[in-house]
Amino acid sequence: ADVTQTPRNRITKTGKRIMLECSQTKGHDRMYWYRQDPGMGLRLIHYSVGAGITDQGEVPNGYNVSRSTTEDFPLRLLSAAPSQTSVYFCASSYGLLNTGELFFGEGSRLTVL
Amino acid sequence: AQKITQTQPGMFVQEKEAVTLDCTYDTSDPSYGLFWYKQPSSGEMIFLIYQGSYDQQNATEGRYSLNFQKARKSANLVISASQLGDSAMYFCAMTGGSYIPTFGRGTSLIVHP
Repeated sequence: ADVTQTPRNRITKTGKRIMLECSQTKGHDRMYWYRQDPGMGLRLIHYSVGAGITDQGEVPNGYNVSRSTTEDFPLRLLSAAPSQTSVYFCASSYGLLNTGELFFGEGSRLTVL
Repeated sequence: AQKITQTQPGMFVQEKEAVTLDCTYDTSDPSYGLFWYKQPSSGEMIFLIYQGSYDQQNATEGRYSLNFQKARKSANLVISASQLGDSAMYFCAMTGGSYIPTFGRGTSLIVHP
C-alpha cells in the first residue's frame, strides 16, 4: 500500500499514551491526519507540508505529531480520552501540484475506554 | 477559511437511475479545487473526481460527473445509471490557496434493486 497505517484497531484505557503510525512510499511532501466521527465527516487534526514542518488543523487538542522524515508521520495521543474514540485516517498528497487526490491509509479504529 | 456543506445526510435511488448529491462551498481564494470521495462500508476512501476552479468544462470520470456552478458555489456529484455497488458514503471536499483539503460531513447513498 502507498500509505500504511498501524495499528488497524486499538483498544486502550483513559489516560494512556498512544501512538498511531503512518508511513508513505509516494515521496509526497504533504501528509495529514484526519479523524472521522459519525455525522461529522473528516476533520483535520494536524498536517505537515514537509519534513520538519507541522501545523495544527481544525481539532488539534490532545494530539501531537512530528515529521522527521518524508515517509513517516506518527500521531500521538498524549493522554487518551473517551472523546478520542474515532477512526483515524492518515493521508498524503503532492503540494503545489495537488489536483485533489489524497492517498489515504486504510484507517485506524481507536477505542478509548 | 474554506467550508464545505453537504445538506443531504441520506439519499435513496433506484438501480439504473441517476442521482445527484449536493455540495456547496465557500472560500475567498480565487483559485481552488473541488473533489469527491467515496467510502464504501469497508471503510477505505476512494477518489472519484476533481474539478479546478478555472476549468471551463465540468469534470467527468465514467459514470461520475461534477456539475460545477461557480456563481452558485456548488459542486454537485452526478452518478448516472446507479449500481448496487454505488451504495456508500460520499464526501465532497475542497482545497484552496493553502492546498489543505477540507471535507464536508458526507451523504449516505443507498441504491435499491
